[in-house]
Amino acid sequence: AQTIHQWPVAEIKAVGSPLSLGCTIKGKSSPNLYWYWQATGGTLQQLFYSITVGQVESVVQLNLSASRPKDDQFILSTEKLLLSHSGFYLCAWRGQSNTEVFFGKGTRLTVV
Amino acid sequence: GQQVQQSPASLVLQEGENAELQCNFSTSLNSMQWFYQRPGGSLVSLFYNPSGTKHSGRLTSTTVIKERRSSLHISSSQTTDSGTYLCALGLSSGSWQLIFGSGTQLTVMP
Repeated sequence: AQTIHQWPVAEIKAVGSPLSLGCTIKGKSSPNLYWYWQATGGTLQQLFYSITVGQVESVVQLNLSASRPKDDQFILSTEKLLLSHSGFYLCAWRGQSNTEVFFGKGTRLTVV
Repeated sequence: GQQVQQSPASLVLQEGENAELQCNFSTSLNSMQWFYQRPGGSLVSLFYNPSGTKHSGRLTSTTVIKERRSSLHISSSQTTDSGTYLCALGLSSGSWQLIFGSGTQLTVMP
């Protein structure tokens, strides 16, 4: 069975500080990977997607970046956090030939 | 304009009543999923239903592609059903995206 693990569960960070959120998928080779973000009271938006190692495409510009260093790992990061980065971040995957998407448990980020 | 519209935005019911949540979309779809979003934010997958009708306990999902709509029916609602319900449309246009609706906030009163 496939599992998806996100870390950390929650973060409180200062404006201007760096950020790194991680996501690991086990039990599925070559998944399509996604990052989603939801501002408080807002709608979930797709930020990035990756169909293979080393390749990431941006969907929404939020002064964030993403990388896929391994087949099973997806990283979301920034060197300088903004207040507007606060919210809930979800990592997700789907199989190459499937259309059902599976989500991790998410990371709650509070920028102060 | 918005590709996915959910209605109603909020719904208050008495325990035991039925709920009908709607999701309308303005473009053709590759998939449709329904989620329950916990207060902490994590998602519980309810249905993967690109077309037709599916049942799970007191929940029923119906997607009618040619009418560009999907619905989630909750029968005999319970207070524990309270929360936010999200539909999400899978689109393949160049890149593949899952586009979420803004959700229905359901409150079931005892």
